[in-house]
Amino acid sequence: NAGVTQTPKFRILKIGQSMTLQCTQDMNHNYMYWYRQDPGMGLKLIYYSVGAGITDKGEVPNGYNVSRSTTEDFPLRLELAAPSQTSVYFCASSYSRDTQYFGPGTRLTVL
Amino acid sequence: AQKVTQAQTEISVVEKEDVTLDCVYETRDTTYYLFWYKQPPSGELVFLIRRNSFDEQNEISGRYSWNFQKSTSSFNFTITASQVVDSAVYFCALSETQGGSEKLVFGKGTKLTVNP
Repeated sequence: NAGVTQTPKFRILKIGQSMTLQCTQDMNHNYMYWYRQDPGMGLKLIYYSVGAGITDKGEVPNGYNVSRSTTEDFPLRLELAAPSQTSVYFCASSYSRDTQYFGPGTRLTVL
Repeated sequence: AQKVTQAQTEISVVEKEDVTLDCVYETRDTTYYLFWYKQPPSGELVFLIRRNSFDEQNEISGRYSWNFQKSTSSFNFTITASQVVDSAVYFCALSETQGGSEKLVFGKGTKLTVNP
């Protein structure tokens, strides 16, 4: 099992550009999450999903969108990138309310 | 609201020393889970332990041990005989049940540096 995979690993965006961060898990987990980690801080939840077709906002959802059309994939969309979205983004998945397992992260810089 | 406090921002020790990382949490839930994750310099998040709020037994796994005390809302992590490879940022997290999902509330992390 590859676990949770994320692409890309690194990305530089210009202000106003858009992009999609990809997240895939092969553990058949129904729950998936997106977090962001700012320097010197813990992780903050952006969006989560309890199953295909169901998503909900976390603590810091503004500026992001998600979709969950399959169990495996949970992409995160940035529509109009802003410098405040410079961060490391982590995707995680879990089986029901069990332990969350994290992907390797995507380091995003918005200039 | 749930809250996790890791008061130690950075700790530096010499190899073979024992070190304890503190974690204090706040919650109104009667059932919750506590976690520790390790983030080495490479950046990934590695799961270390998950503890149910009803289970206050201490746990030991090799050089790692965890002390869970509900009375003081603490879930401390001790590394015995530290090694250079233990250098990392360690995060304590508390589960928050909302919308049928288990969401994690993270502390800000403690950066541990183990010097040879």
